[in-house]
Amino acid sequence: KAGVTQTPRYLIKTRGQQVTLSCSPISGHRSVSWYQQTPGQGLQFLFEYFSETQRNKGNFPGRFSGRQFSNSRSEMNVSTLELGDSALYLCASTLRSQENTEAFFGQGTRLTVV
Amino acid sequence: AQSVTQPDIHITVSEGASLELRCNYSYGATPYLFWYVQSPGQGLQLLLKYFSGDTLVQGIKGFEAEFKRSQSSFNLRKPSVHWSDAAEYFCAVGAPTAGNNRKLIWGLGTSLAVNP
Repeated sequence: KAGVTQTPRYLIKTRGQQVTLSCSPISGHRSVSWYQQTPGQGLQFLFEYFSETQRNKGNFPGRFSGRQFSNSRSEMNVSTLELGDSALYLCASTLRSQENTEAFFGQGTRLTVV
Repeated sequence: AQSVTQPDIHITVSEGASLELRCNYSYGATPYLFWYVQSPGQGLQLLLKYFSGDTLVQGIKGFEAEFKRSQSSFNLRKPSVHWSDAAEYFCAVGAPTAGNNRKLIWGLGTSLAVNP
């Protein structure tokens, strides 16, 4: 079956702009989690969606938001981009909740803010 | 607060040598424990996981890990490293949050280089 698909793979944006990233989970998976990965901070949890509802949220400012659609696809939005938002954004899908089932990761979206 | 520590940022081993990557966690109860691997430019792939039962867990690609409650550790091992094992390795803990939810807490990763 198809894996987790993240689009786009690469993105360059200007400071102050906004960006929307997309994640299509594995068919049948209902939970989607988003992470920000940077060399200095490692994997930072952004939020998790399950059945269109946000279940968990990390410690990121309100500029970072997300949503999940009825087909489990998820989008993540970052408004008023800052240089420090440059990172690899990873999406992970799990069948139910994330803590005790295997999480399948997409290849990520590499966002560069200039 | 829950935390995961991977004490070694970078490790270099020779091909064919044994490997041990360390992971320590801070959590009041027995957590769910995971090891993931990330190859350059790729997402993360699950190597193995521990929920309960036998404390020695076998994973893919010849990796194993041992849960030691007394040391709050979940170290990853491989008896003979291959050049293709060069990657970033992440340890993660599944821990509860408010509202009876849980989330994964990640270590900062260990970068493994393999010399021919």
